[in-house]
Amino acid sequence: EAEVAQSPRYKITEKSQAVAFWCDPISGHATLYWYRQILGQGPELLVQFQDESVVDDSQLPKDRFSAERLKGVDSTLKIQPAELGDSAMYLCASSLTLAGGQETQYFGPGTRLLVL
Amino acid sequence: AQSVTQLGSHVSVSEGALVLLRCNYSSSVPPYLFWYVQYPNQGLQLLLKYTTGATLVKGINGFEAEFKKSETSFHLTKPSAHMSDAAEYFCATRAPSGYSTLTFGKGTMLLVSP
Repeated sequence: EAEVAQSPRYKITEKSQAVAFWCDPISGHATLYWYRQILGQGPELLVQFQDESVVDDSQLPKDRFSAERLKGVDSTLKIQPAELGDSAMYLCASSLTLAGGQETQYFGPGTRLLVL
Repeated sequence: AQSVTQLGSHVSVSEGALVLLRCNYSSSVPPYLFWYVQYPNQGLQLLLKYTTGATLVKGINGFEAEFKKSETSFHLTKPSAHMSDAAEYFCATRAPSGYSTLTFGKGTMLLVSP
């Protein structure tokens, strides 16, 4: 069964350092999502791509976060500089298409970030 | 705007007992509703979803949920809990048309004791 791949699974960094997370969606999925999940809470959408275009990045802290999906396949989420409050699980998800709302989002295993 | 409220951050049941996890939604129109499960240090897996049609939805692992418009609820149930059901469960919602984002509740941790 096809899965969403993410790496690394765990990342420890010091504040003010740069970190990057990688996601490879299920083959053929046009829509890709990055979520942040703080411990004890549900995931919150950071950014959403349709192919290589950003559809929604209204919740992305653009002063320090950036995301790209240059060829419309895999994606990278970057934080620079990292802050203590960025410690969380970063989840990537993908779905076949953006339209309609019925499509299922498939989630990767996540990257757990700890900022010291 | 769509939102969901999950009642109870933790629910404890004995193995073999009924599982009931509560979710209420807030929406101006009947939304699409989802239940996801998350095992420790893993991503989310879809259990079931309601979009249109039959209000009683059956999912994987013996779970089901019923969409009740009059009560604005979408509670998750399973007749008999198994130890492997111990996990965190998230209710989520999105608007039924056009572009919309998936909004999650805060989650309910299900604890199953032998």
